This record gives sequence, structure tokens and C-alpha cells, in this order.
Amino acid sequence: GAGVSQSPSNKVTEKGKDVELRCDPISGHTALYWYRQSLGQGLEFLIYFQGNSAPDKSGLPSDRFSAERTGGSVSTLTIQRTQQEDSAVYLCASSIQGATDTQYFGPGTRLTVL
Amino acid sequence: AQTVTQSQPEMSVQEAETVTLSCTYDTSESDYYLFWYKQPPSRQMILVIRQEAYKQQNATENRFSVNFQKAAKSFSLKISDSQLGDAAMYFCAYVTTSGTYKYIFGTGTRLKVLA
Repeated sequence: GAGVSQSPSNKVTEKGKDVELRCDPISGHTALYWYRQSLGQGLEFLIYFQGNSAPDKSGLPSDRFSAERTGGSVSTLTIQRTQQEDSAVYLCASSIQGATDTQYFGPGTRLTVL
Repeated sequence: AQTVTQSQPEMSVQEAETVTLSCTYDTSESDYYLFWYKQPPSRQMILVIRQEAYKQQNATENRFSVNFQKAAKSFSLKISDSQLGDAAMYFCAYVTTSGTYKYIFGTGTRLKVLA
């Protein structure tokens, strides 16, 4: 079956614009995660969706960041009024049930804010 | 607060040789999981090996094995018979199973495999 897909693969935007990043998890996976990977850094947890539970938003760096997961499947990460420090690779992952399961990662979206 | 430390930014190994990547973590939790993920230049992160903290036996997956020292909070990855395809960034990760979800990654070790 298909793995986790993300779109777009690359996004260049101007400072102050809003961007939307999309993640399609593996079918049947109830858990979905967003991470940010800055150059030379590890992964920074952003948000975690688990089934119908309220998402864990504890990793979102500011209120400019938000995420939705519609119908328990596709997720969209939105960054409003982008700043240059938002430039990074945004990774999405999904797992069968929860946080202790193996996460399957997408290829990421490279965001560049000019 | 939980932390994961990978003290080796870069390592090199000769093809067919063995290399060990180090990872230490800090936590007050007793139940947690540890992972090693590999990120090749293609950027797609894949799981290498997974260890449950309550299991004393070290996890093994083909040429990959871990040395899990719970008391020392150490979780090193040993790659035997290194292959060119093993060249990648390797990330150590920790997730707690108690309370609020916490998935913490180290900063990674870049592994170069020399032919």
C-alpha cells in the first residue's frame, strides 16, 4: 500500500504570507504527527492527533501555527504570517494506533521563507 | 524534562566494519520506548530498531543491534558489516508512555561509510 505522502515537496513563500502543508497518512493509521526539522537539528515535535481525541498541540511554537485533521485522515498544517525562522523541513508521520508504535514518515515539505 | 543527547555529530566507518552510535537520555519515567531512525539523503525517515524499556533483552534487527543500559540511560546502536547504503543521518528518539505524549529526538549522527 501507499506510504505517507506530503505536498507540496517544496514551498517558497514571502515573509508575511500564509502557507498550508498537506499530509496524507497511511490508510487505517489513527495517529498522525507533525514535526519540524531545521538545518542541522533534530526533529522538533509540533502536534499529535490520536483518533477522535483532542490533539496534543503542546509543540506548536506560536499561535501562527495550527493544524487540522479532517475525517481522521488527511491533515493540514497552516502557518500564518510566515517568518524567515519558519524555514525548515516539515515532516508528517503516522502510526497504527499511538505514540509507542512505529512511526512511518512522509518525505517532508521543504519550506523556504524569503 | 526529558532530553535525548547524541554526542557524535558525525561518524565514519569502513565498509564491512562495525560502528557504534551513542545515545543517552534523561528521564524520570520508568515506562518508555526508545527508537533509532535512519534518514538517508532522500529525506524519508525509516525505523531501524525499537526497544521497550521494560524489556531487558537488547533489540536486534539483522545487522543492527542496540546496547540498552537502563540504569545508565544509554541506548547505543551497533551496525555490523557496514554497507554503503547505511550512510545516513541516524536519530535516537524517546517516547514516554505515561501522561502527556512526549516524543523527543536527538540532534542526529551523520554516518559516512567509506568504500
